[in-house]
Amino acid sequence: AQKITQTQPGMFVQEKEAVTLDCTYDTSDQSYGLFWYKQPSSGEMIFLIYQGSYDEQNATEGRYSLNFQKARKSANLVISASQLGDSAMYFCAMREFRDSNYQLIWGAGTKLIIKP
Amino acid sequence: ETGVTQTPRHLVMGMTNKKSLKCEQHLGHNAMYWYKQSAKKPLELMFVYNFKEQTENNSVPSRFSPECPNSSHLFLHLHTLQPEDSALYLCASSQAENTEAFFGQGTRLTVV
Repeated sequence: AQKITQTQPGMFVQEKEAVTLDCTYDTSDQSYGLFWYKQPSSGEMIFLIYQGSYDEQNATEGRYSLNFQKARKSANLVISASQLGDSAMYFCAMREFRDSNYQLIWGAGTKLIIKP
Repeated sequence: ETGVTQTPRHLVMGMTNKKSLKCEQHLGHNAMYWYKQSAKKPLELMFVYNFKEQTENNSVPSRFSPECPNSSHLFLHLHTLQPEDSALYLCASSQAENTEAFFGQGTRLTVV
């Protein structure tokens, strides 16, 4: 069963608008972590933001914020005032502790294109 | 200089070749990872090294052989690969296994 679901394979957004990228997850653990990464066409995976399952406040990093709704098991990424340089693939990932190791489970990604 | 450097950036190899991918991190991290990224598939974790010891091997075929000589360097030795092994291979490092990972730019591998 898929543990990380990103329902939007692709999105087009007008420059300067806010954009929300969806991510839902499935886990029975009480302790877990949620990450968002950006992957531009150059290939490098860039860490954006992290939310721990026990964090009561939504994480924010500059123009990025994470809309964490624990009961719904969703961790949507919100990008405010989008810029052309935000065009990239965006991946949601969940960290679980399994078989004595931490493992990152990845979603399939959302391709975001910012239009001028 | 980026924190995690991978070489080469692109590699084309025949199925009978032997090649190695190199990863170097300048962040003082203790954990290093190899991931495979194929088109339209989620990232697949291949190997994890924590303090130079391999802690994870996600059922990766033996034609992929990792090596971690020290906490700053990680290699992926390749031999007798198949065309379906063509993918972007990403190296990452983290301070610990439960902290955020920082990635290199990847090696785009094509097996012909």
